[in-house]
Amino acid sequence: GAVVSQHPSRVICKSGTSVKIECRSLDFQATTMFWYRQFPKQSLMLMATSNEGSKATYEQGVEKDKFLINHASLTLSTLTVTSAHPEDSSFYICSARHDRNTEAFFGQGTRLTVV
Amino acid sequence: GDSVTQMEGPVTLSEEAFLTINCTYTATGYPSLFWYVQYPGEGLQLLLKATKADDKGSNKGFEATYRKETTSFHLEKGSVQVSDSAVYFCARKQSNQAGTALIFGKGTTLSVSS
Repeated sequence: GAVVSQHPSRVICKSGTSVKIECRSLDFQATTMFWYRQFPKQSLMLMATSNEGSKATYEQGVEKDKFLINHASLTLSTLTVTSAHPEDSSFYICSARHDRNTEAFFGQGTRLTVV
Repeated sequence: GDSVTQMEGPVTLSEEAFLTINCTYTATGYPSLFWYVQYPGEGLQLLLKATKADDKGSNKGFEATYRKETTSFHLEKGSVQVSDSAVYFCARKQSNQAGTALIFGKGTTLSVSS
C-alpha cells in the first residue's frame, strides 16, 4: 500500500512550548488529510480534516487556535500544538488519502509528552 | 451520535485457536465498515472492509461479514498465529462536511502465544 510518514515518532517538550508534527504522503498526492488523537485505552478521536489549500475543519470540542493545522501541499500536512500543557500529552496519528473513493493510509503516530 | 463499539481486550490465545473480536456500530444508513490492524511500532493498516450489507471482507485468513440486522461486523479467524499479535480496530465511515473520516472503536489487543 501507499506510504504515509509521520515525524517525529516521539517528542518530549516543556510546558508552554509549541511542537510541530509532520505528516507526508510519500508516493501519492493527498487531497485530504485527517488528524486523530488517541488516549490510552481509548479509540482514535478525529480532531480535524484538512483539504489541500483550504482551512482545516475541526471537530466539535477541538480548539483550532491550539491545534494549528496546515495543509499547504498535496504531500504535506502539519499539526502544531501551541503552548502545550501536560493534558495535551497523547498519541497523535495522521491519515491521508488521494480522494474520497480511495483508501486512507495512516502514519505511524507521534507520542507527545509534555512535561 | 454514530459510534463503534468493540470488545475490550486483551484477548490472549494459543496458536491455532479460533479468534472472534466483536464489533457493533450505530449509524443512520449503511456506512462502509473496516477492520484495521496495528502491529507494534507501526501505523494502522487496513485489514479488510465491507461496503454494503451482507458483504464479507477477507484478508490473510481474517473474515468479517456486514450484518445490518444486528449492526455488527465481527472479526474472525479460524487459526491464529503468533504473528497476528497486534491491536485491531473496528471502524466505520462517517460523513462530515469536509470529507469522509473514520470513526474507530477503542481497539482490541490480541496476544497469541506458541
